[in-house]
Amino acid sequence: DAGVIQSPRHEVTEMGQEVTLRCKPISGHNSLFWYRQTMMRGLELLIYFNNNVPIDDSGMPEDRFSAKMPNASFSTLKIQPSEPRDSAVYFCASSWSGPNYGYTFGSGTRLTVV
Amino acid sequence: DQQVKQNSPSLRVQEGRISILNCDYTNSMFDYFLWYKKYPAEGPTFLISISSIKDKNEDGRFTVFLNKSAKHLSLHIVPSQPGDSAVYFCAASGLTGGGNKLTFGTGTQLKVEL
Repeated sequence: DAGVIQSPRHEVTEMGQEVTLRCKPISGHNSLFWYRQTMMRGLELLIYFNNNVPIDDSGMPEDRFSAKMPNASFSTLKIQPSEPRDSAVYFCASSWSGPNYGYTFGSGTRLTVV
Repeated sequence: DQQVKQNSPSLRVQEGRISILNCDYTNSMFDYFLWYKKYPAEGPTFLISISSIKDKNEDGRFTVFLNKSAKHLSLHIVPSQPGDSAVYFCAASGLTGGGNKLTFGTGTQLKVEL
């Protein structure tokens, strides 16, 4: 199993540009989570999906952020337009909806908006 | 509003000694707690967990203690090894079982020195 796969690993973009982060969860996991890591707030949950359906998006900072999960094997997080304060490491994680937490994180995407 | 707090951003310990990482939470509905370890340029990985029906869980060199009345948990690493140097995140959930969102703290950077 290749684990949770995120792309790109690094992204540098100019303010105002659209940024799309991608995630492939572990096959068979039915929950997917997008987290953002910053020094001030640690790991904060942006949005999560169960069975491809968004369950809680209360952590999405503002309308500039959107996430989709068109099928069980792919999710995107889009920022449009991007701003310098969006610079952070974005993690995707997937898990089972079962009695044991199988939260597996990807390696993250380091986003820098200049 | 930070519901899970790790008040020590960093900790330095000598090899062979005990490392104690602390975590406080404010939400009394949390009933499942986890610790994750994160190395640079990698995603967090699950380390150990504890349910609110227990006050201690042990796995090799790692022990997690839970004090529900104080809303406090701690991770003990004995003996500490240089390979334990990483960022440790405390996390909490309101429901046992997988597929539910985890609320993370801001992390504690542990450095184990020779």
